[in-house]
Amino acid sequence: AQSVSQHNHHVILSEAASLELGCNYSYGGTVNLFWYVQYPGQHLQLLLKYFSGDPLVKGIKGFEAEFIKSKFSFNLRKPSVQWSDTAEYFCATGRRALTFGSGTRLQVQP
Amino acid sequence: SAVISQKPSRDICQRGTSLTIQCQVDSQVTMMFWYRQQPGQSLTLIATANQGSEATYESGFVIDKFPISRPNLTFSTLTVSNMSPEDSSIYLCSVGNGVGYEQYFGPGTRLTVT
Repeated sequence: AQSVSQHNHHVILSEAASLELGCNYSYGGTVNLFWYVQYPGQHLQLLLKYFSGDPLVKGIKGFEAEFIKSKFSFNLRKPSVQWSDTAEYFCATGRRALTFGSGTRLQVQP
Repeated sequence: SAVISQKPSRDICQRGTSLTIQCQVDSQVTMMFWYRQQPGQSLTLIATANQGSEATYESGFVIDKFPISRPNLTFSTLTVSNMSPEDSSIYLCSVGNGVGYEQYFGPGTRLTVT
């Protein structure tokens, strides 16, 4: 069965700091990978997705992620975070239904 | 992306009762799913709602406890039956348009069982 691991459970950054959230997946075949974000009081939104092709994927709000097959990783990055990026971030994988990681709570301090 | 609505948005229910949650999409979609997000935790798939046939349940979830209907390509319901406090969660509907495609999530239904 496919699974994803997010090792950073709670990250605290100051505004303008760079962000990298880790995500590792278990499945060795063709993978579909996603990052979702849940802002306080809001529903889950898709940040970006990877199906195939260019391993560097750009998403909304300045986020990007890099698929590294040899490391089974799909880390989320942003060069400069803002206070408004405070949210919970979920990595997920799946071809029909999705399997989610445990989530990373990001707190950006002004 | 599809616009998804859920009713009710939240409810407080007594132990032993049942609640039916509705999920409505503004366009026809191939796939609909139901997830649960327990307090402070990640999302867990309950089942895939299949149009015109019985839902496909994940390990640990059974039809008697979580009956699901999907009468057409834009609507589904999830019932939480014989509720206990352990069923207190956010229940989310999601939709997708095929294998390998992204999913979009509804706003969720926050259920508290007392």
